Amino acid sequence: ETGVTQTPRHLVMGMTNKKSLKCEQHLGHNAMYWYKQSAKKPLELMFVYSLEERVENNSVPSRFSPECPNSSHLFLHLHTLQPEDSALYLCASSQEGRGLGANVLTFGAGSRLTVL
Amino acid sequence: GQSLEQPSEVTAVEGAIVQINCTYQTSGFYGLSWYQQHDGGAPTFLSYNALDGLEETGRFSSFLSRSDSYGYLLLQELQMKDSASYFCAVRSDQTGANNLFFGTGTRLTVIP
Repeated sequence: ETGVTQTPRHLVMGMTNKKSLKCEQHLGHNAMYWYKQSAKKPLELMFVYSLEERVENNSVPSRFSPECPNSSHLFLHLHTLQPEDSALYLCASSQEGRGLGANVLTFGAGSRLTVL
Repeated sequence: GQSLEQPSEVTAVEGAIVQINCTYQTSGFYGLSWYQQHDGGAPTFLSYNALDGLEETGRFSSFLSRSDSYGYLLLQELQMKDSASYFCAVRSDQTGANNLFFGTGTRLTVIP
């Protein structure tokens, strides 16, 4: 256990479905992230919440919608996804600031998403 | 833009030493990190270098040369459990949660 818990671990959905991914961190961190991990590609930063405020990321399609109700919880709402959205979605948290903590991300084990 | 390059695959023998290189081009530089990810698992933090030189943590060491925009992860006395993917990551700004960029990862296979 890393202190960052993601559910579900596996999700299969059709292109017209609506589903949500959940992330919870028990580390007292003040920043939370969603990353997309696809084979042979760098980890792609999707969204960041720092001090519960969202940092905009213009390259993410609107079919992905994040929600951060408090500093411990982060959701990724999925709607009308495409097959190319199939990937491992990783949640992470960190302690933002000027120290080492800002460079140490603690990741969850990920949610493996398959879009049919 | 930001880019990081690392070899896609490396194979090494149990008990040996292996070096995984990372070269980067970023608009700013505030440190190089390394993460390990086993199949089906979460990436986990291994090391961080902000200044030039070698940082040692047990069997793992990490090196940075800022003038060469280059770093490496050195794994000694390889064990089978070290088979995993290793990612380098560069922070391009001193603050800001959205300024950490990852490489594509190096898959290390340790063979008997």
